[in-house]
Amino acid sequence: KNQVEQSPQSLIILEGKNCTLQCNYTVSPFSNLRWYKQDTGRGPVSLTIMTFSENTKSNGRYTATLDADTKQSSLHITASQLSDSASYICVVSEASNYQLIWGAGTKLIIKP
Amino acid sequence: GAVVSQHPSRVICKSGTSVKIECRSLDFQATTMFWYRQFPKQSLMLMATSNEGSKATYEQGVEKDKFLINHASLTLSTLTVTSAHPEDSSFYICSARPSMNTEAFFGQGTRLTVV
Repeated sequence: KNQVEQSPQSLIILEGKNCTLQCNYTVSPFSNLRWYKQDTGRGPVSLTIMTFSENTKSNGRYTATLDADTKQSSLHITASQLSDSASYICVVSEASNYQLIWGAGTKLIIKP
Repeated sequence: GAVVSQHPSRVICKSGTSVKIECRSLDFQATTMFWYRQFPKQSLMLMATSNEGSKATYEQGVEKDKFLINHASLTLSTLTVTSAHPEDSSFYICSARPSMNTEAFFGQGTRLTVV
């Protein structure tokens, strides 16, 4: 069964600190993996999208990694800011029908 | 990046009435649009896939007669919640892709409250 699991479920860190969010998936065949940021009451906004051959991709203070062999991805946030408080969702696209398989998200809270 | 506009952002309606939510791709053509529902503290749940010029494909458990989807053009899809009930209160989000294997862009979402 195609699944995407994220950890931790929630995370609280102090402003300025770094953090890493995890995503494990069992989606097959694999097309690409996306990380989205969703502010409360808003639609998701894309941070990164990686295909099978990409190991890492950065978007400002956000860096995503992908290990297609172990089917794991991480999202690293550097020097966190209060505006980083949001839910971060890992989404994997299946290659056969391009269906998006959604993780439950990690709720990140940045405290001053 | 591409822009998907969703309207309205918030709506309150009485039980038994119908509500229409619009989703527009502003700077690209989307042959396929997606409608999601999100309950508090949960991730997005796909309701249906909307294809321009044809009937929508609904996910299991989603009532097609209750959630009417029309994809009238390559830039507009609408979701109508018919005979709304309080349990339909939720956050509804649309998404559009230029093509199936490309980036998906999301609308701002619509908070529906049925009283």
